[in-house]
Amino acid sequence: DAGVTQSPTHLIKTRGQQVTLRCSPISGHKSVSWYQQVLGQGPQFIFQYYEKEERGRGNFPDRFSARQFPNYSSELNVNALLLGDSALYLCASSPTGGRQPQHFGDGTRLSIL
Amino acid sequence: GNSVTQMEGPVTLSEEAFLTINCTYTATGYPSLFWYVQYPGEGLQLLLKATKADDKGSNKGFEATYRKETTSFHLEKGSVQVSDSAVYFCALSDPNGQNFVFGPGTRLSVLP
Repeated sequence: DAGVTQSPTHLIKTRGQQVTLRCSPISGHKSVSWYQQVLGQGPQFIFQYYEKEERGRGNFPDRFSARQFPNYSSELNVNALLLGDSALYLCASSPTGGRQPQHFGDGTRLSIL
Repeated sequence: GNSVTQMEGPVTLSEEAFLTINCTYTATGYPSLFWYVQYPGEGLQLLLKATKADDKGSNKGFEATYRKETTSFHLEKGSVQVSDSAVYFCALSDPNGQNFVFGPGTRLSVLP
């Protein structure tokens, strides 16, 4: 079975632009979470979605938004990009979210120039 | 708020040495606790987990015990191999399951 897949793998943007990152969960998983991982640090929780509803939100500005589709795939949108948004963005899925272990994709590397 | 603290790395050991990576947490209630591993060039993988006090998670020779009294979840392995070289992350899921918190990671290098 395919694992969590993310696209694109790499992305280069400039300050002020907007970006959309995509994630497909493991088949049968209904919960998707998004994380930001800055080089040399642990992942920081951004959002968790379950059955298309936002279940949890980390300490990120409103420039960050996400949604989950009926097929359980998800998009993360970031508006008005800043240099500090440069990071690896990870998507993770689990059957029903909550306290279950997360299964991670390989991430999208976002570079802001 | 919830937080996870890990021992600073990098940690360098010789093959067959004993490994301990300390992890302590701050959380209200009873979180679930996890260790994730990131091998060079690969994504994050779940290594082991524990969901309640005194639970012991184990996998691939690694063990960690959920200690409520000391709010700790230290990772141990009796004899490390070169293939264990990776970055190890301690993490928790809050009791409501609405937030995952990761520690900063500890880089382990095992020399032959």
